[in-house]
Amino acid sequence: DAGITQSPRHKVTETGTPVTLRCHQTENHRYMYWYRQDPGHGLRLIHYSYGVKDTDKGEVSDGYSVSRSKTEDFLLTLESATSSQTSVYFCAISPGGTDTQYFGPGTRLTVL
Amino acid sequence: AQTVTQSQPEMSVQEAETVTLSCTYDTSESDYYLFWYKQPPSRQMILVIRQEAYKQQNATENRFSVNFQKAAKSFSLKISDSQLGDAAMYFCAWINGGSQGNLIFGKGTKLSVKP
Repeated sequence: DAGITQSPRHKVTETGTPVTLRCHQTENHRYMYWYRQDPGHGLRLIHYSYGVKDTDKGEVSDGYSVSRSKTEDFLLTLESATSSQTSVYFCAISPGGTDTQYFGPGTRLTVL
Repeated sequence: AQTVTQSQPEMSVQEAETVTLSCTYDTSESDYYLFWYKQPPSRQMILVIRQEAYKQQNATENRFSVNFQKAAKSFSLKISDSQLGDAAMYFCAWINGGSQGNLIFGKGTKLSVKP
């Protein structure tokens, strides 16, 4: 299994509070991704990174920001959490843009 | 916009039997890749199989095989000799060959395996 961890694994927070989710990899892969999964949907891309300090938006990026200061870490921040951001968040990594993406265990976030 | 459609929200199969999950996609691109991922109740996303669009040969991985029909834009997954551990959500996904990694997912098919 690819060495990917996500923290925290579960979080409950209140509307309006900032939240940061962390993805950490030990594979030295260039690409890292953040997806969200909601009932009735597959996974949808929030943001991705193609190198240190190189990031771009995905399909559902509104309300989210990311940062990548080291190859191994990719942070997802909800500046002011809303109930619509209640979801399961997955991090993924891949060596190249079209290579297989390997997923972390997911973080369940509940915004009350 | 590219889309991936899984028309079967739920499927059921008897243990040891064969089941086929459907997936169609819509794209004008000629260079792309297709995937099937499995998500068991543990929530972990697990790669089942990968297919390069330029390869005519259908990918296989043990009991899992695909029927890739490029002209029809169809990418079905066949599971042979189904096992109880195959019960999961299965997601079909597509990515453009020139992409930086925007994997487009279908909504998934929930597979139940009856003993």
